[in-house]
Amino acid sequence: DVVMTQSPLSLPVTLGQPASISCRSSQSLVHSDGNTYLNWFQQRPGQSPRRLIYKVSNRDSGVPDRFSGSGSGTDFTLKISRVEAEDVGVYYCMQGTHCPPWTFGQGTKVEIK
Amino acid sequence: EVQLVESGGGLVQPGGSLRLSCAASGFTFSSYWMSWVRQAPGKGLEWVANVRQDGSGKNYVDSVKGRFTISRDNAKNSLYLQMNSLRAEDTAVYYCARHPFDYWGQGTLVTVSS
Repeated sequence: DVVMTQSPLSLPVTLGQPASISCRSSQSLVHSDGNTYLNWFQQRPGQSPRRLIYKVSNRDSGVPDRFSGSGSGTDFTLKISRVEAEDVGVYYCMQGTHCPPWTFGQGTKVEIK
Repeated sequence: EVQLVESGGGLVQPGGSLRLSCAASGFTFSSYWMSWVRQAPGKGLEWVANVRQDGSGKNYVDSVKGRFTISRDNAKNSLYLQMNSLRAEDTAVYYCARHPFDYWGQGTLVTVSS
């Protein structure tokens, strides 16, 4: 199974400042069809997960443009350009290239300093 | 509007059984793979099982193989998870999700305890 490793696991951020979360996979996530199936999810306190980014860098509808995804192969990054209070929560990366099983990172908790 | 509403969770003793349901609306249910994903209290997300559009293909995480069965009824726009031989480590909130994980339900809590 592909292991997804996120860092840091806890990220205190000042409002208005940028934040960056790293996600590394134990093997390349480039699929034989040429796509890279790496998603990012946000889970606010007490809520269900919400997909923010699919296939590395594509923002879902309604996701603010302060969120961006990048990376390739085994190294991926989620960036928040200017953190807002509503961004507090846990962020997960997930791979859908080598599945089943679909596997998630451990989660990164974003909180306001 | 896409909606996924889970039900059927509750408290069950170790070794017991439970059947979860997920009612889908707002999209053509029969056109999508569907998954169950769980989250133990205070822990991360774990994919559990999924089923093909017509119900013919199913996949499971190793830890539930032989104990859980995923199924669907496209006429009723519903997804199910039959959970047998439940263990304490199955305690979690169970979410149904539409592939490719773009919509999730609110979850239903399963607690396995004596």
